[in-house]
Amino acid sequence: EAQVTQNPRYLITVTGKKLTVTCSQNMNHEYMSWYRQDPGLGLRQIYYSMNVEVTDKGDVPEGYKVSRKEKRNFPLILESPSPNQTSLYFCASSLGPLSTDTQYFGPGTRLTVL
Amino acid sequence: GQSLEQPSEVTAVEGAIVQINCTYQTSGFYGLSWYQQHDGGAPTFLSYNALDGLEETGRFSSFLSRSDSYGYLLLQELQMKDSASYFCAVRGAGSYQLTFGKGTKLSVIP
Repeated sequence: EAQVTQNPRYLITVTGKKLTVTCSQNMNHEYMSWYRQDPGLGLRQIYYSMNVEVTDKGDVPEGYKVSRKEKRNFPLILESPSPNQTSLYFCASSLGPLSTDTQYFGPGTRLTVL
Repeated sequence: GQSLEQPSEVTAVEGAIVQINCTYQTSGFYGLSWYQQHDGGAPTFLSYNALDGLEETGRFSSFLSRSDSYGYLLLQELQMKDSASYFCAVRGAGSYQLTFGKGTKLSVIP
């Protein structure tokens, strides 16, 4: 089954404790992206990657890091989480950079930073 | 950059037709997409317009007017399961980013 998976689905952590949210897709998609969703603010892009070893900042990259060492994986790293990073996070992928209008989303990771 | 405006909430009756509007401002324009998100779920792609006119997919249709920087999503024969949030999204010309509106929460009532 074609899908985007994220782990963990739920995470409660404390300020300053480094964490990684994993994202994997099995569709051989070139383009992958991370979004955060907050009430009243919609989906805002954090980082995106057009292919292996090619990443770029989205609209709200501060406090986040990403890497794309393999085509299927695009982990999101919070080196020193803060309470304002409490949010619902979605990973998404699309066939390529010119197909970003049609994105496939993972199930989401609900993160709480205390 | 890009910005989008859509109503925050819409209520409609089961079996009726509802239109969700979206206006956008963007430096260059490539296309307008629509996504559906049920409570607790992930966004799922509904439709895409790159050219002016109406695109129909079953009970859902999407319209675009590039000259007016305006589009809408039309849902016909509303069902209770259509209760969800609907997001419009744009990609600017030369951009690889998709910028989303803040979403319209549709409530379908009996």
